Amino acid sequence: EAGVTQFPSHSVIEKGQTVTLRCDPISGHDNLYWYRRVMGKEIKFLLHFVKESKQDESGMPNNRFLAERTGGTYSTLKVQPAELEDSGVYFCASSQVPGQSDNEQFFGPGTRLTVL
Amino acid sequence: QKEVEQNSGPLSVPEGAIASLNCTYSDRGSQSFFWYRQYSGKSPELIMFIYSNGDKEDGRFTAQLNKASQYVSLLIRDSQPSDSATYLCAVREGGKLIFGQGTELSVKP
Repeated sequence: EAGVTQFPSHSVIEKGQTVTLRCDPISGHDNLYWYRRVMGKEIKFLLHFVKESKQDESGMPNNRFLAERTGGTYSTLKVQPAELEDSGVYFCASSQVPGQSDNEQFFGPGTRLTVL
Repeated sequence: QKEVEQNSGPLSVPEGAIASLNCTYSDRGSQSFFWYRQYSGKSPELIMFIYSNGDKEDGRFTAQLNKASQYVSLLIRDSQPSDSATYLCAVREGGKLIFGQGTELSVKP
């Protein structure tokens, strides 16, 4: 069974440009999460989808970030316009049923975003 | 601001020794705790979860939870060079995970 996949693995863009990151969760997982790790900091939560609905978007830094999950399958995270402080590794994770203490979130390999 | 604190390390132990990784959390109401291992450039992978006070053992790994002290630890017995990685402590809040910065472990042959 395929794990969580993310595309691209790396992206280097200029400040002010737009970048779209994609995440394909494990098949059958209704819950999809985006996290981000900036240099020297901890992994931080961005948002949580249940199917196509945004369950929690409290971690989204500002309105330059837009996440979608049309059809409840894959998700995209668009940054427009990108700023220098957006550089970091963006992780996607998926899980079956949230809220259960033994419910594992499976992480993708991440997209390393560099904004110059 | 709910926080999870870890010593960033690096923690260096000789092969065969016990590695002890520690984590404290600020929210006394937290119920579920996770240890993830992350190799350089790879995705975090779950090693153990714990939600009851006391010890939980799985092979060479033991997670320990003390809710009164708001402290969770991970012991790795008979450490191997392949255990060298960053270990991330996480606390569940609703559906999301709140992570510590991670502790880098180096096991020397």
